[in-house]
Amino acid sequence: EAGVTQSPTHLIKTRGQQATLRCSPISGHTSVYWYQQALGLGLQFLLWYDEGEERNRGNFPPRFSGRQFPNYSSELNVNALELEDSALYLCASSGGPGQGRNEQFFGPGTRLTVL
Amino acid sequence: QQQVKQSPQSLIVQKGGISIINCAYENTAFDYFPWYQQFPGKGPALLIAIRPDVSEKKEGRFTISFNKSAKQFSLHIMDSQPGDSATYFCAASAPLRGYNKLIFGAGTRLAVHP
Repeated sequence: EAGVTQSPTHLIKTRGQQATLRCSPISGHTSVYWYQQALGLGLQFLLWYDEGEERNRGNFPPRFSGRQFPNYSSELNVNALELEDSALYLCASSGGPGQGRNEQFFGPGTRLTVL
Repeated sequence: QQQVKQSPQSLIVQKGGISIINCAYENTAFDYFPWYQQFPGKGPALLIAIRPDVSEKKEGRFTISFNKSAKQFSLHIMDSQPGDSATYFCAASAPLRGYNKLIFGAGTRLAVHP
């Protein structure tokens, strides 16, 4: 069974530009989560999508947004990039809400560098 | 109340020894506690998880001990091997309440010396 896939592996942008990151969940999973792993700040929750709807978002500014497509894949958009947005962006997937165990499986991440 | 506190920050263990990593939480709504292992350049991999209705769960060399009254849980790695050298994260969430986002501890960098 294929795991969570993310693209691109690396992304280099300059300050003020926009970045788009993509994620494909494990087959059968309906929930997709985005986390930011910045140096020294650990893993911070960004967004949760399920069945095409945004279910929850973390303490990030509105320039971080995303969406989930009918095939459950997801896209994270970061507008007006700032230097401190440089981080590893991780996508995870799980079965839908209400399943109790909430086993989230992570992809390899996209390394975003903002110059 | 959302925090999960993890200790130690780093840990050095000799091959064959026991590695112990501790986590504490405040929010009693949490009802799911996973541990993840992350190697450099990779995404976190789910190791083992526990619900608060059990006090211990074992999978191979990995054991979670859970103390509900103290709001603490820990990961024990028995017979630690150099291949276990990685960063370990504890986490918590409340999926039964629809609170699926994982709150992570700060991580423990484990080095197992041969």
